[in-house]
Amino acid sequence: ILNVEQSPQSLHVQEGDSTNFTCSFPSSNFYALHWYRWETAKSPEALFVMTLNGDEKKKGRISATLNTKEGYSYLYIKGSQPEDSATYLCAPLGDDKIIFGKGTRLHILP
Amino acid sequence: DAMVIQNPRYQVTQFGKPVTLSCSQTLNHNVMYWYQQKSSQAPKLLFHYYDKDFNNEADTPDNFQSRRPNTSFCFLDIRSPGLGDAAMYLCATSNSLTDTQYFGPGTRLTVL
Repeated sequence: ILNVEQSPQSLHVQEGDSTNFTCSFPSSNFYALHWYRWETAKSPEALFVMTLNGDEKKKGRISATLNTKEGYSYLYIKGSQPEDSATYLCAPLGDDKIIFGKGTRLHILP
Repeated sequence: DAMVIQNPRYQVTQFGKPVTLSCSQTLNHNVMYWYQQKSSQAPKLLFHYYDKDFNNEADTPDNFQSRRPNTSFCFLDIRSPGLGDAAMYLCATSNSLTDTQYFGPGTRLTVL
């Protein structure tokens, strides 16, 4: 896995609105996909680990889906809150190697 | 609380002056990683230890070295820092290469 793309790079969302963003990766030699949330001045924090095509994971208002055949994962946030402001990183694992995307920087507007 | 600790949080060094960054964990994880993250870029894996086995990424410069004297501690040594080495350095641990990684808060390195 060499090329991990996350889009958009940056996103401004009104508080209360729902949003989603994308992680794209080459589908060959895929093993697992990790999503992390990284708040400013804090450590990156694991959200989900996904392995199976069609996987859906949910944690509170945040959920994620995985399509390993076409090489993408979506992260959804329902009813955005100020505490959701962070950078969301995806990291697919393949060939015993984990590669991080650049992240999507989410800003929640009051 | 079990955690990953990095010291110092901020490090300033001079061009060419060796510097060591420290990471410790109370999770008893097998794997410890060092990442470099420059502004607006993805965290880039420099190397990792699986127990005592050291695994260097092919494109990690020789200027970067690492030591893991025991399960709990791992050090990143930069032998001759250049201006381009200014970055955030993240340490992470996991139980295996495929498991969730637990990150420290990072050390922000400035090179003058």
